[in-house]
Amino acid sequence: DVKVTQSSRYLVKRTGEKVFLECVQDMDHENMFWYRQDPGLGLRLIYFSYDVKMKEKGDIPEGYSVSREKKERFSLILESASTNQTSMYLCASSPPDLGGNSPLHFGNGTRLTVT
Amino acid sequence: KNEVEQSPQNLTAQEGEFITINCSYSVGISALHWLQQHPGGGIVSLFMLSSGKKKHGRLIATINIQEKHSSLHITASHPRDSAVYICAASNSGYALNFGKGTSLLVTP
Repeated sequence: DVKVTQSSRYLVKRTGEKVFLECVQDMDHENMFWYRQDPGLGLRLIYFSYDVKMKEKGDIPEGYSVSREKKERFSLILESASTNQTSMYLCASSPPDLGGNSPLHFGNGTRLTVT
Repeated sequence: KNEVEQSPQNLTAQEGEFITINCSYSVGISALHWLQQHPGGGIVSLFMLSSGKKKHGRLIATINIQEKHSSLHITASHPRDSAVYICAASNSGYALNFGKGTSLLVTP
């Protein structure tokens, strides 16, 4: 079974802090994704990566950056956390064919609160 | 961008009832995904389909490509089916366009 592991389930940070959210998958998937999920808005793509060191902006990349130095690990970085980044963050991975035609495997999510 | 609409937004059913959740999309797709999210956050992929019908246990997913519409059916619903059900469409590229989800509560 594919396992996608997010480093924290709950995280509380202060405004202005630099925040790292880590995601690791164990199935050698090329594609990895970061989403945020907010009530009434559904899942929105922040960034995705289709290979090591490759990244593409999603629908809402502002205020975020990502890092993919190793195939199994995809990190989401909030350079200076703000209260409007309080949200549920979900990492996902998929096999190398186009992500939309392969099932996505999600982590359990990180609920981030910025105070 | 593919607009994905789900209905209903919220649904309450009694145990044993037959449940239908609908999903429509605006642009032709290569695949339609149905996902399940239980309280606590984790999301599980239920189905991925590009035509016809798929069945896993009590869950059935259908898609009508011409009408740009998909349905998820749950037969003999059970309280453990209570979850948020999300449909997502893919046309090209690496990303999916997600519906906002249908929150299902099945009462004993």
